[in-house]
Amino acid sequence: DTAVSQTPKYLVTQMGNDKSIKCEQNLGHDTMYWYKQDSKKFLKIMFSYNNKELIINETVPNRFSPKSPDKAHLNLHINSLELGDSAVYFCASSPPGPRHNEQFFGPGTRLTVL
Amino acid sequence: KQEVTQIPAALSVPEGENLVLNCSFTDSAIYNLQWFRQDPGKGLTSLLLIQSSQREQTSGRLNASLDKSSGRSTLYIAASQPGDSATYLCAVGGATNKLIFGTGTLLAVQP
Repeated sequence: DTAVSQTPKYLVTQMGNDKSIKCEQNLGHDTMYWYKQDSKKFLKIMFSYNNKELIINETVPNRFSPKSPDKAHLNLHINSLELGDSAVYFCASSPPGPRHNEQFFGPGTRLTVL
Repeated sequence: KQEVTQIPAALSVPEGENLVLNCSFTDSAIYNLQWFRQDPGKGLTSLLLIQSSQREQTSGRLNASLDKSSGRSTLYIAASQPGDSATYLCAVGGATNKLIFGTGTLLAVQP
């Protein structure tokens, strides 16, 4: 299936731990994004990468570090997890060319910090 | 700073009704506007994308319009079905493809 995929789907961890969420797309897109959806269901962009280059870096604590090993992957590493990091994290991607501003989303990773 | 608002926050209609969801934004300097659907516990599905130079887009029973000057977009759903029940999100796109999302409308279509 061609899609944006994320692993894991669910992540439960203790405060203070370090964790990573992985995202992969096989759509041939060249731009990838991370969004956070909080408990009130509000979605906000965190980062975007184009061809492994950081494009958008919103006001996000530096405990969050995205890494793009190639244009098909964008991983999110979170250090020293806090209760407020509990949310659903969505990865998205968009294609090059005239449809470059149409974003396709993954299924999300629900992170719960205890 | 761009702010996107959706009205109503929740809507319940009987099956077969036509309905309109509203989205408003404060800064008209947008590149595009995208409507998404989100089912409970799932990701977002793109429904329609309207470029800033366009006034509307249609897909099946869905029609989205865009009025940049007034900062408004509407999503029209014809002949609603229970399967249309979901949260509908609008998002405005700016430079660098940054999407600013609205607050969402939770739609329930009663059989």
